[in-house]
Amino acid sequence: EVQLVESGGGLVKPGGSLRLSCAASGFTFSSYTMNWVRQAPGKGLEWVSSIGSNSSYIYYADSVKGRISISRDNAKNSLYLQMDSLRAEDTAVYYCARIYGYTLHGEFDYWGQGTLVTVSS
Amino acid sequence: DIQMTQSPSSLSASVGDRVNITCRASQNINSYLNWYQQKPGKAPKVLIYAESNLQSGVPSRYRGSGSGTEFNFTISSLQPEDFATYYCQQSYSTPYTFGQGTKLEIK
Repeated sequence: EVQLVESGGGLVKPGGSLRLSCAASGFTFSSYTMNWVRQAPGKGLEWVSSIGSNSSYIYYADSVKGRISISRDNAKNSLYLQMDSLRAEDTAVYYCARIYGYTLHGEFDYWGQGTLVTVSS
Repeated sequence: DIQMTQSPSSLSASVGDRVNITCRASQNINSYLNWYQQKPGKAPKVLIYAESNLQSGVPSRYRGSGSGTEFNFTISSLQPEDFATYYCQQSYSTPYTFGQGTKLEIK
């Protein structure tokens, strides 16, 4: 069974940092493009970042570029999101999600349960 | 960036009704259009991928159609478990973008 389990969320002050993790199991993690998608309270879904199966490509949303860094450790079946210079508008539930298939055109077929990041003084 | 415009933003319907949601892309995305269902406090779940393909295990009352820039999502006969928020998403190119969502409520 495919499982994605996020951790690392919490309350952080503006300008602070946080590192999110996503532990994957039930599939060959090293074969898939992985992503972070966020959802601000009461709002819609916003894609944040993608990383290729062997980290050969990385993409970011303009809203987080320069402040957020995605990485992965295929030996540990883990995905990470390093978040720096956090702002109130980064407050959201952050989901780890897998893209199906071997291209960038697949759907987000599996999602974690999400971890809440709250940026507030 | 590709803008996804979804309508309506909310919809009130009864069990047994047929409902339709539309999603328009700001440019041609071929058939790289996916539909998700999200219930409160839960992660989204993919229902339809690549415009019209039903995800494994998803009931056949869900249907997707369209191509290019205009897409439709239909539930043929609403069931109680269908009341949720639905999102379209383009997977043609990054940044991947979602429609703003359609909240389907019980009439």
